[in-house]
Amino acid sequence: EIVMTQSPATLSVSPGERATLSCRASQSVSSNLAWYQQKPGQAPRLLIYGASTRATGIPARFSGSGSGTEFTLTISSLQSEDFAVYYCQQYNNWPPFFGQGTKLEIK
Amino acid sequence: QLQLQESGPGLVKPSETLSLTCTVSGGSISSSSYYWGWIRQPPGKGLEWIGSIYYSGSTYYNPSLKSRVTISVDTSKNQFSLKLSSVTAADTAVYYCARHEKWNGKRWFDPWGQGTLVTVSS
Repeated sequence: EIVMTQSPATLSVSPGERATLSCRASQSVSSNLAWYQQKPGQAPRLLIYGASTRATGIPARFSGSGSGTEFTLTISSLQSEDFAVYYCQQYNNWPPFFGQGTKLEIK
Repeated sequence: QLQLQESGPGLVKPSETLSLTCTVSGGSISSSSYYWGWIRQPPGKGLEWIGSIYYSGSTYYNPSLKSRVTISVDTSKNQFSLKLSSVTAADTAVYYCARHEKWNGKRWFDPWGQGTLVTVSS
């Protein structure tokens, strides 16, 4: 079982600033990592797959990086609609496991 | 555009079986490229994969739930279903259905259904 650990649990950032979210895997998952955004009352939405490839329709201010066990999601200039909970998910091994989430809140 | 929609009872009694159906529209569940999965999220908590099924009926289950889970597919109705037996309050969650690719290295979930809340209570 691969444990996914996200940090911080909560991140407070002002609109227009950069946000950096981290995800660590308990063992290497290569680049088989996805990021999701979830707003209250909504289903998660795929943002990034392959650690760094944006999904269809995702704005360029979202970027992913990393490989192996350390991954980062960066939002370059926060817009009001970006304040949400973000989850990482590894799919290198089955079963797939999600991180516990990082809540991005307005500072 | 592919869409998934969950349906089923919102309230289930303890020790009974939770049953949900996911209806796929805008595409065929019989595509050779995809698996169809169930994921749940307890209130205020994170996401847990339950299991996935291929149109042929081949299944993968989360080992932590395997003894209580059955996922089936009905290609004639473009639907797949979840049954979770012997439920307790710990099974109270929003249940999502979602698609993922068949191939190793491509098993991210997209798209997702809107989710349905199932409460386990007497």
